[in-house]
Amino acid sequence: GAVVSQHPSRVICKSGTSVKIECRSLDFQATTMFWYRQFPKQSLMLMATSNEGSKATYEQGVEKDKFLINHASLTLSTLTVTSAHPEDSSFYICSARGGGNKLFFGSGTQLSVL
Amino acid sequence: DQQVKQNSPSLSVQEGRISILNCDYTNSMFDYFLWYKKYPAEGPTFLISISSIKDKNEDGRFTVFLNKSAKHLSLHIVPSQPGDSAVYFCAASATVTLNFGKGTSLLVTP
Repeated sequence: GAVVSQHPSRVICKSGTSVKIECRSLDFQATTMFWYRQFPKQSLMLMATSNEGSKATYEQGVEKDKFLINHASLTLSTLTVTSAHPEDSSFYICSARGGGNKLFFGSGTQLSVL
Repeated sequence: DQQVKQNSPSLSVQEGRISILNCDYTNSMFDYFLWYKKYPAEGPTFLISISSIKDKNEDGRFTVFLNKSAKHLSLHIVPSQPGDSAVYFCAASATVTLNFGKGTSLLVTP
């Protein structure tokens, strides 16, 4: 089946630094990828829709200057958390739509900002 | 505004019995529904889906039922196994994006 690879799985960084998370569709092309954030015991919150070759579409309340999304190819989208702060600590998950209208998820990235 | 609701945050079932996870939605435009399973610190994995033109879809131990008039769907797992212990998310779609419920944590005890 379709596979979405997300890297890194865990990152610890100092406050003020930037962190890049990669999301790759391994065996299919994805013109659209999605980035989610999940707080403990909460639902998956859609942050933005990443569109290959164009600007990402951000959900209300998500700072686009803080969460930079780049979808440079049909198999790769990146999320960069700029000037990270402790409140940005969360579990970030990407997804891509594969065959059969199914959404396939990456394994997630646990970000901890000290 | 939560368009997809999973009103039971947790469920405990004995191994071998049936697990029934429920999901309600408010948007009548939703036409595709999915269930995902999630372990801690991992991304969700797809379980089973159903289109609005159907009222039942079965895949092995997993069956999803859709009641459009009640805007309700449920996931049945039978027989339940300890490895099924995870958080289950219900999701609904009308366009490109998915709307997720808050999840139900299932615990299957030996």
